[in-house]
Amino acid sequence: GESVGLHLPTLSVQEGDNSIINCAYSNSASDYFIWYKQESGKGPQFIIDIRSNMDKRQGQRVTVLLNKTVKHLSLQIAATQPGDSAVYFCAENSEAAGNKLTFGGGTRVLVKP
Amino acid sequence: GAVVSQHPSWVICKSGTSVKIECRSLDFQATTMFWYRQFPKQSLMLMATSNEGSKATYEQGVEKDKFLINHASLTLSTLTVTSAHPEDSSFYICSARPLKGGLQPQHFGDGTRLSIL
Repeated sequence: GESVGLHLPTLSVQEGDNSIINCAYSNSASDYFIWYKQESGKGPQFIIDIRSNMDKRQGQRVTVLLNKTVKHLSLQIAATQPGDSAVYFCAENSEAAGNKLTFGGGTRVLVKP
Repeated sequence: GAVVSQHPSWVICKSGTSVKIECRSLDFQATTMFWYRQFPKQSLMLMATSNEGSKATYEQGVEKDKFLINHASLTLSTLTVTSAHPEDSSFYICSARPLKGGLQPQHFGDGTRLSIL
């Protein structure tokens, strides 16, 4: 099935706090997962990815966690900054399906100064 | 690296006009590019997969005669919205996947805002 949402949940976070964004994916055969950040009027920007044979991956200020048992993905942003305000999308990739991406519904992050 | 350029960024035109949108991978080659459509406050919906040198693969419900896709080289794909009508107004975004093997993320252009009057 497809993971497409018709609403946009919002996460308000104080500047300097940590943010956690959650995502439930639909296809147990998905082999690769990506988090994207989309600012207003722009295309999605790659943040971090993780393969299905991993359960955690860290980047600069960001960590992605993957729980295949419950088909759950999360993105943690440390010390959230005003520039982190955007909509965040998780996306699942299936190589068997031609490497098409299926996007989650997105979460808007608002950073309060 | 991995920059995708999309042009134009904004188009306003009259109903019945055909509009061409270009998607270029600037610093890498891509045998596969993807075209998405996004409505306000919604997620990205895949319209079609563009394959270099062959026909595009359209998602269910997307009219191939309405949305013509050409992928003439490893760095360029075009989407033409033919005889556009107000209901075609949307934000169209392309992406490209690097040619090198293994699992790679798609890299996105900055989208084209299409407004049909």
